[in-house]
Amino acid sequence: DAGITQSPRHKVTETGTPVTLRCHQTENHRYMYWYRQDPGHGLRLIHYSYGVKDTDKGEVSDGYSVSRSKTEDFLLTLESATSSQTSVYFCATAPQWGQLKRTDTQYFGPGTRLTVL
Amino acid sequence: SQELEQSPQSLIVQEGKNLTINCTSSKTLYGLYWYKQKYGEGLIFLMMLQKGGEEKSHEKITAKLDEKKQQSSLHITASQPSHAGIYLCGADYTGAGSYQLTFGKGTKLSVIP
Repeated sequence: DAGITQSPRHKVTETGTPVTLRCHQTENHRYMYWYRQDPGHGLRLIHYSYGVKDTDKGEVSDGYSVSRSKTEDFLLTLESATSSQTSVYFCATAPQWGQLKRTDTQYFGPGTRLTVL
Repeated sequence: SQELEQSPQSLIVQEGKNLTINCTSSKTLYGLYWYKQKYGEGLIFLMMLQKGGEEKSHEKITAKLDEKKQQSSLHITASQPSHAGIYLCGADYTGAGSYQLTFGKGTKLSVIP
């Protein structure tokens, strides 16, 4: 399994406060993703990165920003948290084309449970 | 409308029984990925299907991709409590492999001992 860690694993915060979630990988994978998982909605892509300083929006990017200054770290920031952003957030990585094996896939971190009061 | 539909949404089976989970796409799939998620944990990759008619097995779990590449089924034989969890399918609609995946909402499986 890819070495992917997320921090914090749990966080409770108040509406209007900024929050940053960190994803760290040790596999030198080029692609990194942030998803949120909610009952009734499944897994939805927030933002993804295809290289250092190269990011793009996903399906549900409003209210979120990301940064990737190093290959191994991908940060997700909620500039002003709202109750609708209460969710479980997953980071995932995928290797660069050329390193891809036929059975390769996205590798997921353990998740961060965020509660916005 | 949802591009990728999973059915059923939830399933409760007696240990030892067989079961099937379906993943239906509204458009042609380049690839279909199956994952399992234990409660409170991340997703674990099970298998990936690319070719129409392809079938793969891992232990007691078999996945198939139909000829038209718009539906996949996941079949578990002689279910065990360790099979309990949420099963998600992920669709590659771009042909770029796992880089851009669209996920279904998941099927929650409970196995009663």
